[in-house]
Amino acid sequence: QVQLVQSGSELKEPGASVKLSCKASGYTFTTYAMHWVRQAPGQGIEWMGWINTNSGNPTYAQGFTGRFVFSLDTSVSTAYLQISSLKAEDTAVYYCAREDDYSFDNWGQGTLVTVSS
Amino acid sequence: QSALTQPASVSGSPGQSITISCTGTRSDVGSYNLVSWYQQHPGTAPKLMIYEGTKRPSGVSNRFSGSKSGNTASLTISGLQAEDEADYYCCSYALPSTRVFGGGTKLTVL
Repeated sequence: QVQLVQSGSELKEPGASVKLSCKASGYTFTTYAMHWVRQAPGQGIEWMGWINTNSGNPTYAQGFTGRFVFSLDTSVSTAYLQISSLKAEDTAVYYCAREDDYSFDNWGQGTLVTVSS
Repeated sequence: QSALTQPASVSGSPGQSITISCTGTRSDVGSYNLVSWYQQHPGTAPKLMIYEGTKRPSGVSNRFSGSKSGNTASLTISGLQAEDEADYYCCSYALPSTRVFGGGTKLTVL
């Protein structure tokens, strides 16, 4: 069965960087695009962008350019989200989600990133 | 890209039907039949309930249905059950190869 397993919670100080992982299993990794979304505490879901798992080409939503980088390691079927210069407002749960038929049919369990001094 | 507009909350009694609207623009909802709907219970990841506007993934109850008129998509849940109480989000494809979510709707089953 399809599974997306994300890395564990992170506690970081402002200005630090963090790299989150999303390991896929149960399907051919390069066949489906991978998206990233953010959900701040008590808030709605924000689409951050996606990465073409075949070409490695990323697309970032407005507001997620510059400090956010999507990457892949196809040898281990894993997508990554790196966030640099962390701010308090980056505190959120970050989800990876597989795209199929223009929708997100499988989701990771989420990674909580807390930015606090 | 502005978020799609959803009502903040809706409620209904067990057995009733409710509809959640999702209003976008001609650049997203109005131009494509590519709206999806997600159910999210507290502390869990969202779950796909409807895709391509009207289609249900395998395993999703036929009490859930989707529709669209103009720039507004809708999710209808019939025969409300206690376990339907959750947050619901719509999401639309938009050019160029982007996505936009709604603000979310909290469904309360009375």
